[in-house]
Amino acid sequence: EVQLAESGGGLVQPGGSLRLSCLASGFTFSTYWMSWVRQAPGKGPEWVANIKEDGSEIHYVDSVKGRFTISRDNAKNSLYLHMNSLRAEDTAVYYCLGSGSSSAWGQGTLVTVSP
Amino acid sequence: QAVVTQEPSLTVSPGGTVTLTCGSSTGAVTSGHYPYWFQQKPGQAPRTLIYDISNKHSWTPARFSGSLLGGKAALTLSGAQSEDEAEYYCHLVYSGVVVFGGGTKLTVL
Repeated sequence: EVQLAESGGGLVQPGGSLRLSCLASGFTFSTYWMSWVRQAPGKGPEWVANIKEDGSEIHYVDSVKGRFTISRDNAKNSLYLHMNSLRAEDTAVYYCLGSGSSSAWGQGTLVTVSP
Repeated sequence: QAVVTQEPSLTVSPGGTVTLTCGSSTGAVTSGHYPYWFQQKPGQAPRTLIYDISNKHSWTPARFSGSLLGGKAALTLSGAQSEDEAEYYCHLVYSGVVVFGGGTKLTVL
């Protein structure tokens, strides 16, 4: 069974930093693209970033370029999102999402950016 | 950046059939856009119903199917049930960049 478990969210002040983690199980993590997706309160999902199986290709939504960094450790079946210079508009539940037959969702981790 | 369009709302009768669509501002949706469909109920995380146009997960009810139709990606629900009332989102991939649609609120009434 594909399972994804996000962690690392919390309350942070504007301009602060957080590191999100996602632990994957139930599939061969190293053979799938992985993404981070966020959902602000009352809004639809917004794709944030993705990373190729071996980390050789990465893409970001324009609003986070230069502030967020996606990475992965295939030996640990883990996906990460380093978030810097956080803004109020980054407040959301953050989900990791696999691709293809591994495209299950976790329960997400809440990031709140507020003074 | 491309814009992905969905019907804001649709209504289907119990037992009826409804098709939700997912269009692209750049032109016809093709297999190269790897269309995905997601269902989200209030207070829950989204779940993936369909990936790569028409592939289903083990948890996807058989009454849901995905296709390309008239230049768009389509999600067809045949034999709607009350539990299918939810928000449905699609996403498309543009050379690695993913764009979600705004969602369709489906009412079963």
